[in-house]
Amino acid sequence: DTAVSQTPKYLVTQMGNDKSIKCEQNLGHDTMYWYKQDSKKFLKIMFSYNNKELIINETVPNRFSPKSPDKAHLNLHINSLELGDSAVYFCASSQTEEDTQYFGPGTRLTVL
Amino acid sequence: DAKTTQPPSMDCAEGRAANLPCNHSTISGNEYVYWYRQIHSQGPQYIIHGLKNNETNEMASLIITEDRKSSTLILPHATLRDTAVYYCIVRGQNTGTASKLTFGTGTRLQVTL
Repeated sequence: DTAVSQTPKYLVTQMGNDKSIKCEQNLGHDTMYWYKQDSKKFLKIMFSYNNKELIINETVPNRFSPKSPDKAHLNLHINSLELGDSAVYFCASSQTEEDTQYFGPGTRLTVL
Repeated sequence: DAKTTQPPSMDCAEGRAANLPCNHSTISGNEYVYWYRQIHSQGPQYIIHGLKNNETNEMASLIITEDRKSSTLILPHATLRDTAVYYCIVRGQNTGTASKLTFGTGTRLQVTL
């Protein structure tokens, strides 16, 4: 009965590759998010989607493209991976844009 | 969103109350105070939030000063499993960026035997 789930949990890949991280929530929430936590442990929002529409895009390189096929899913596709993309990526969801956000377990991406 | 200031670290003996302070002197009238925690290698976990009144749930209590410029998160009986980084976040409502949580550096709480 996991509320917010992400796959994979770990992702190791080479520079220049394209990869995707998937997120699913079974809470019936309308809003979903992607956050990035870098090696210094700073946690920053990247994107938010409300009812499949992009609400926030925090000056993230356009190599990052979120895709929301339906309200329950928000996937993150990353093109041409760079060393600096290595981080833990967290998905979150909330009932509306103003409600409490609940986070997934994270995906640790390592770019070699 | 208003910025918050938290001590970088605190220690607490198991079974005792852990009182985690947060200063948010520039908070606006429509901004809520949220608390999350992050246990090592896990996703941030929601704890509690409030606007003006003190709040209590099964995890913790939140005490907000009358002028709303500071707050304290109280874990009444800390256990080893409460060892984590605790984040105090001030978040606006009814604004264009209401959905944005801005995490600071938080307080690393170490609960010891």
